[in-house]
Amino acid sequence: QQQVKQSPQSLIVQKGGISIINCAYENTAFDYFPWYQQFPGKGPALLIAIRPDVSEKKEGRFTISFNKSAKQFSLHIMDSQPGDSATYFCAASRAGKSTFGDGTTLTVKP
Amino acid sequence: DAEITQSPRHKITETGRQVTLACHQTWNHNNMFWYRQDLGHGLRLIHYSYGVHDTNKGEVSDGYSVSRSNTEDLPLTLESAASSQTSVYFCASSELISGEQYFGPGTRLTVT
Repeated sequence: QQQVKQSPQSLIVQKGGISIINCAYENTAFDYFPWYQQFPGKGPALLIAIRPDVSEKKEGRFTISFNKSAKQFSLHIMDSQPGDSATYFCAASRAGKSTFGDGTTLTVKP
Repeated sequence: DAEITQSPRHKITETGRQVTLACHQTWNHNNMFWYRQDLGHGLRLIHYSYGVHDTNKGEVSDGYSVSRSNTEDLPLTLESAASSQTSVYFCASSELISGEQYFGPGTRLTVT
């Protein structure tokens, strides 16, 4: 049973556009929702994270929107750049145990 | 600078052999994790540890074991390697139980 569903699987955006990646979770006990960015041949690195008592968090061009009642959260990348081309994973965590989405491969065309 | 390292970075082994993947972190984090990453499956938790002598099974623990004798290291052992264990393995550590995880560079394991 997949507890975190991520969409889309791949995304192509023009430079300067907005990239949106969505995730849905099932377990209401999750208490930490991070997004990780992974470049080829590298380990994932934390991009931005949110806890369920907040509906939105913004760090630079990256924003997480969190809808607790719908059990959904999303990553918005504003003014997308070619350097943002990578694989993005959402995750939901409880007591340190993280369940990851299957990832979204983002390509930003110049 | 603190870091998390994994060795080897690449490993080819034969079916049935025992394999140990090393993970070493200098963050002094109590919490350490092992994941495997397969195409189309994201990252799946194998084992995790909240401190020395503490180990716990994750989502896909069958065929794997870990031991934690100090804060810095959490080696992952495949008791009898199987082709289904061909994957990229990532180690991670975190300061808080529910907080940012710092990932190592990964070990690509091929079981022939």
